[in-house]
Amino acid sequence: SAVISQKPSRDICQRGTSLTIQCQVDSQVTMMFWYRQQPGQSLTLIATANQGSEATYESGFVIDKFPISRPNLTFSTLTVSNMSPEDSSIYLCSVSGTGENYGYTFGSGTRLTVV
Amino acid sequence: RKEVEQDPGPFNVPEGATVAFNCTYSNSASQSFFWYRQDCRKEPKLLMSVYSSGNEDGRFTAQLNRASQYISLLIRDSKLSDSATYLCVVPSINQFYFGTGTSLTVIP
Repeated sequence: SAVISQKPSRDICQRGTSLTIQCQVDSQVTMMFWYRQQPGQSLTLIATANQGSEATYESGFVIDKFPISRPNLTFSTLTVSNMSPEDSSIYLCSVSGTGENYGYTFGSGTRLTVV
Repeated sequence: RKEVEQDPGPFNVPEGATVAFNCTYSNSASQSFFWYRQDCRKEPKLLMSVYSSGNEDGRFTAQLNRASQYISLLIRDSKLSDSATYLCVVPSINQFYFGTGTSLTVIP
C-alpha cells in the first residue's frame, strides 16, 4: 500500500489565522481525500482532491474555508482558513488502495488546536 | 438513518476473551466493507476487508449478513494490544462512510 507523509503532525494556531497541511504520497494516485475527525467523532469527508481540476467538496464544506491544491499526482495541500476554535480537529489525508484490498490508507494526521 | 451505525461501547474484556462488534449499514447496494483499527491519537489503519460472506485472519473474523445489512468483527483470544477503537467502513459511489467506532479495552 501507499506510504503517505503528512505534516505538520500538530499545531496550535490563533483564531483568524490559516494553516496549510501537506500530504505527500510515495506513488502516483488519481484521487486524494481529506477527512476531518472531531474529538470523539468518526471521520467526515471534507473533499476529494483531483489532479488538474478543482476539488469536489462535500456538503457543509466550502472552498473558501478549505482551499485545496493538487499540483501533481503525488501531492496535495489542505488549508484551513480564518480558523476558529470549532476547527480544532484532526485532519487526515488518504488515498485509495488498489486490487482486492482497496481500502483507504491514511496519513498520520494533523492535530489542530485553535485558541 | 445513518449510512453506518456502530455500538460505541466501550467494551472492556479480560485477556483471552472473545469479543464481537456489530455494524449496520443502510445502503443495500454496498458490495464491500472494511474494518479499520484506530489507536489513540493515531490514524486509522485497515484491519480487514469483507467482500463475500466473511473473512478470517488469525484471531480476527469478519462476517457479512447482507439480508440483515450488518457486518461483524469477532476477536478471539483477546490480547492487551487489541485495545483500540474499531471503525466499520462502508464504501458508496463517491466516498467511504465511517462508523463512529467501537472502543475496546482488553484488561490484564
